[in-house]
Amino acid sequence: DAGVIQSPRHEVTEMGQEVTLRCKPISGHNSLFWYRQTMMRGLELLIYFNNNVPIDDSGMPEDRFSAKMPNASFSTLKIQPSEPRDSAVYFCASSQPGGLNQPQHFGDGTRLSIL
Amino acid sequence: DQQVKQNSPSLSVQEGRISILNCDYTNSMFDYFLWYKKYPAEGPTFLISISSIKDKNEDGRFTVFLNKSAKHLSLHIVPSQPGDSAVYFCAASAMIKAAGNKLTFGGGTRVLVKP
Repeated sequence: DAGVIQSPRHEVTEMGQEVTLRCKPISGHNSLFWYRQTMMRGLELLIYFNNNVPIDDSGMPEDRFSAKMPNASFSTLKIQPSEPRDSAVYFCASSQPGGLNQPQHFGDGTRLSIL
Repeated sequence: DQQVKQNSPSLSVQEGRISILNCDYTNSMFDYFLWYKKYPAEGPTFLISISSIKDKNEDGRFTVFLNKSAKHLSLHIVPSQPGDSAVYFCAASAMIKAAGNKLTFGGGTRVLVKP
């Protein structure tokens, strides 16, 4: 079974550039989550969607970050303009319907380096 | 404000012995707890979970114990195997009406199982 697919796996770009991270959730899952992992803050939730609708974006650090989910099989996380402090590993996760206590399944992440 | 804490950043154990990982939380609204395992360059993988209505859940070599009064949970791995060497994250969520679980993660414990 295909898991959560993220692309690219690695991204290196200069500060000020726009960065777009992509995620394809597991088919049939209706909740999607974006996380960021850093040494200082650990694994923190940025935003999550349910049925393609953003439910909670309180973790999005600032207006430079935006996320969309145009359909059930695709989501993007965009940073514009990017800054060196955005360097981190960004994970996407999805979970299936059928109750609140469904484990989240993670992709392998995008390692982002902003120079 | 760290709502989920894993106070031991690392743990070393001999193959065949028991590994015990601990996790403390502060938010009394948390009622669902999970453990994830993470290998380098991969996303976290769901391991085991427990609802607040239980105090123990077992799955093969993995057992999670929950002490609600102490706001403490632990993961026992027995017997430990070299393939268990990874970073283990504790996570917690609170029942919310909107579908999808908003997880709060601990900082992780790196486990090394020596052959």
